[in-house]
Amino acid sequence: QKEVEQNSGPLSVPEGAIASLNCTYSDRVSQSFFWYRQYSGKSPELIMSIYSNGDKEDGRFTAQLNKASQYVSLLIRDSQPSDSATYLCAVNKGDGGATNKLIFGTGTLLAVQP
Amino acid sequence: ETGVTQSPTHLIKTRGQQVTLRCSSQSGHNTVSWYQQALGQGPQFIFQYYREEENGRGNFPPRFSGLQFPNYSSELNVNALELDDSALYLCASSHASGTDTQYFGPGTRLTVL
Repeated sequence: QKEVEQNSGPLSVPEGAIASLNCTYSDRVSQSFFWYRQYSGKSPELIMSIYSNGDKEDGRFTAQLNKASQYVSLLIRDSQPSDSATYLCAVNKGDGGATNKLIFGTGTLLAVQP
Repeated sequence: ETGVTQSPTHLIKTRGQQVTLRCSSQSGHNTVSWYQQALGQGPQFIFQYYREEENGRGNFPPRFSGLQFPNYSSELNVNALELDDSALYLCASSHASGTDTQYFGPGTRLTVL
């Protein structure tokens, strides 16, 4: 079992729709969760971080965390063609010390159709 | 723009050679992490540097080594390059006493022929 799992997609949604991206993780002690966006040929760009169960909203983006189910999701409202990218879910696998190590999923490719 | 810079942007090497990649962290950040991203995969943690010492390492062989300097900039060195080392190498900076959020630089694309 992979430590962080995502559906590779592509997830295709029409412009203006809600895109829902999902991620599961295996380590129950993980406390920090991140969503990064990566355009083709570019580096990952931080979209959201979430630490507590529930929802966290930032503009058109909402991150949802359910630690009991070991599940993190990202909702993108009013999807735009410029949102077309790979979305990476990352979990901080701290080892109890100072190491701040992100474990990434393979990413979900989102395609927003005009 | 995160304020994290990396050089060079692209690099082509041949098998068996050695390479050094460089990273300058975002202002105020004292921790640098290096990741390798192969095509179609998520980034994989190589190691992290804090206070000029390696502070955690992923599943990479010893031919991957690094340094951190007093100004918090960092180098990644890879010896005896193999074809599978071809990847995007990402540097991320964070602050040890702040949140654990990591901000990525633009990356260095390494091609090994």
